[in-house]
Amino acid sequence: RKEVEQDPGPFNVPEGATVAFNCTYSNSASQSFFWYRQDCRKEPKLLMSVYSSGNEDGRFTAQLNRASQYISLLIRDSKLSDSATYLCVVNGNYGQNFVFGPGTRLSVLP
Amino acid sequence: EAGVAQSPRYKIIEKRQSVAFWCNPISGHATLYWYQQILGQGPKLLIQFQNNGVVDDSQLPKDRFSAERLKGVDSTLKIQPAKLEDSAVYLCASNQLGRGRDTEAFFGQGTRLTVV
Repeated sequence: RKEVEQDPGPFNVPEGATVAFNCTYSNSASQSFFWYRQDCRKEPKLLMSVYSSGNEDGRFTAQLNRASQYISLLIRDSKLSDSATYLCVVNGNYGQNFVFGPGTRLSVLP
Repeated sequence: EAGVAQSPRYKIIEKRQSVAFWCNPISGHATLYWYQQILGQGPKLLIQFQNNGVVDDSQLPKDRFSAERLKGVDSTLKIQPAKLEDSAVYLCASNQLGRGRDTEAFFGQGTRLTVV
């Protein structure tokens, strides 16, 4: 089993749609969780950290379920500019084993 | 604040040649990562340094890949000899020592390697 798995994608959605990405991880000792965004031919950049209580940043909401070892990202009212690959990242204590999932590509269509 | 610097941006070599990539992390970041990203896949961790010591190199193909971070600051990754399947983007990232949200990793722009 891979350490971090994500929905295979791609997701093609119309503008204004709500889209959800799922991620599971295998290491129960993982401490920190992130969603990164990667535009075509660019480096990954942090979208948001994922906290145990869940967190929201504008149109983006991240949830963590430690018992199920599951992370989600919800994008509401999607924009054309949200088109990118979304990478789930899990790491252990003190920045060890910063592991990426394979990514899920999102295309928001006009 | 300066970001993670990598060079070169692009490199084309023939198979069996050698190549080296350089990375300068964000000042003060103790941890440095090298990732290989093949087109259409997520970044795969090759090696992780903490200061000048190796934390994890379990996925580094040690018969052909080597990396060093002698003074605990900048780092080089070398491939010798290169194979066609090494064609990928090589990403360097760094972060601070810490817990939880403090461990966000920052990435350089990467080196795109093409082996022909």
